[in-house]
Amino acid sequence: AQKVTQAQTEISVVEKEDVTLDCVYETRDTTYYLFWYKQPPSGELVFLIRRNSFDEQNEISGRYSWNFQKSTSSFNFTITASQVVDSAVYFCALSEARTGTASKLTFGTGTRLQVTL
Amino acid sequence: GAVVSQHPSRVICKSGTSVKIECRSLDFQATTMFWYRQFPKKSLMLMATSNEGSKATYEQGVEKDKFLINHASLTLSTLTVTSAHPEDSSFYICSARGGPYTEAFFGQGTRLTVV
Repeated sequence: AQKVTQAQTEISVVEKEDVTLDCVYETRDTTYYLFWYKQPPSGELVFLIRRNSFDEQNEISGRYSWNFQKSTSSFNFTITASQVVDSAVYFCALSEARTGTASKLTFGTGTRLQVTL
Repeated sequence: GAVVSQHPSRVICKSGTSVKIECRSLDFQATTMFWYRQFPKKSLMLMATSNEGSKATYEQGVEKDKFLINHASLTLSTLTVTSAHPEDSSFYICSARGGPYTEAFFGQGTRLTVV
């Protein structure tokens, strides 16, 4: 069975601080995808990144960066120079990469990030 | 990116009535759609997976007769909460994927309140 653990329930930082959101996953599949989503107060889920299990290169997109380490089954997300608009709940998710059908996402419990002035 | 539209965004209904929630993929064909339920300050729990033209696959513990899912076309799936009760009040979110190697795009969610 798949499992995603986000141990940090809530994080509070002051604007311009860097913050890292942790994600640890469990799966028996050799091929899988990892995702991060942002859920602002409005409720919709905003897609941030998808990472293939074969691609362990770190990725940077503006103030966002992701550190994928297969050896520790972790896919951590760092926001550099955080801003108030980053305040949201962030979900890490995992899906199998089966052929023929699109697989469901298994979500972590989410980390609520509060960025204050 | 791809757009998934979910409607309505909010609905209040009386106990005992049924409510239909629509999920549409606007610019791609969604071979698979997923319906999730989210309780306040909780994670998303998958309710069911629907593939176009076939019956939905429900997760364990989800009543298929209560939560009717229809995926009649490649761009539309509907979730009907039948005989709604206050405990069905929740945030329901759909997602759609064009294929197994694509990201899942989510609708805006529907906040259902049963009074």
